[in-house]
Amino acid sequence: GENVEQHPSTLSVQEGDSAVIKCTYSDSASNYFPWYKQELGKRPQLIIDIRSNVGEKKDQRIAVTLNKTAKHFSLHITETQPEDSAVYFCAGWGTSYGKLTFGQGTILTVHP
Amino acid sequence: SAVISQKPSRDICQRGTSLTIQCQVDSQVTMMFWYRQQPGQSLTLIATANQGSEATYESGFVIDKFPISRPNLTFSTLTVSNMSPEDSSIYLCSGVTGVGNTEAFFGQGTRLTVV
Repeated sequence: GENVEQHPSTLSVQEGDSAVIKCTYSDSASNYFPWYKQELGKRPQLIIDIRSNVGEKKDQRIAVTLNKTAKHFSLHITETQPEDSAVYFCAGWGTSYGKLTFGQGTILTVHP
Repeated sequence: SAVISQKPSRDICQRGTSLTIQCQVDSQVTMMFWYRQQPGQSLTLIATANQGSEATYESGFVIDKFPISRPNLTFSTLTVSNMSPEDSSIYLCSGVTGVGNTEAFFGQGTRLTVV
């Protein structure tokens, strides 16, 4: 099945710095890659997603890039704020399997 | 977007008993899923809930332990049967519209503790 690897597992930055989280996937047929933010005790919430026919997508301070050849995608958060502190999960939707596979998660801490 | 209401939000259960978790969606979704999330861990798919037919289980999960129902396009239940302390976890339901490569919405989760 699909395998999604996510790095780093923890990331600590100063407020205003940028944060980058990287994921790789194994199924070349995967065509949809969402990123979820999960605050403590809350449900995962979609923050941005990208489809395989697009190389980059931006939404204010958040951007996602996708390299289909290398089978990796990354989340970029600029001008980080303390409220960005949370666990971030990447995921891949594999058309071969009809389900989302999640990465292991990254605990992002933004220090004021 | 769809809103999923999940209940109970938490429960403490005796070992050997069963708990049924319910998810109600405010609009029709094509696919529904059940996940387990151990504290500090990622989401692990238990099964895909199929409307009107048996759920499709992932490796390591079986119907006798986690029976699932989905009688219509807006409702699903997951039962955790014959519970042991190892079943203590957060259980989340999820729904997607379209054919799957679209946003997945989550219920608020059920925090289960088995004593």
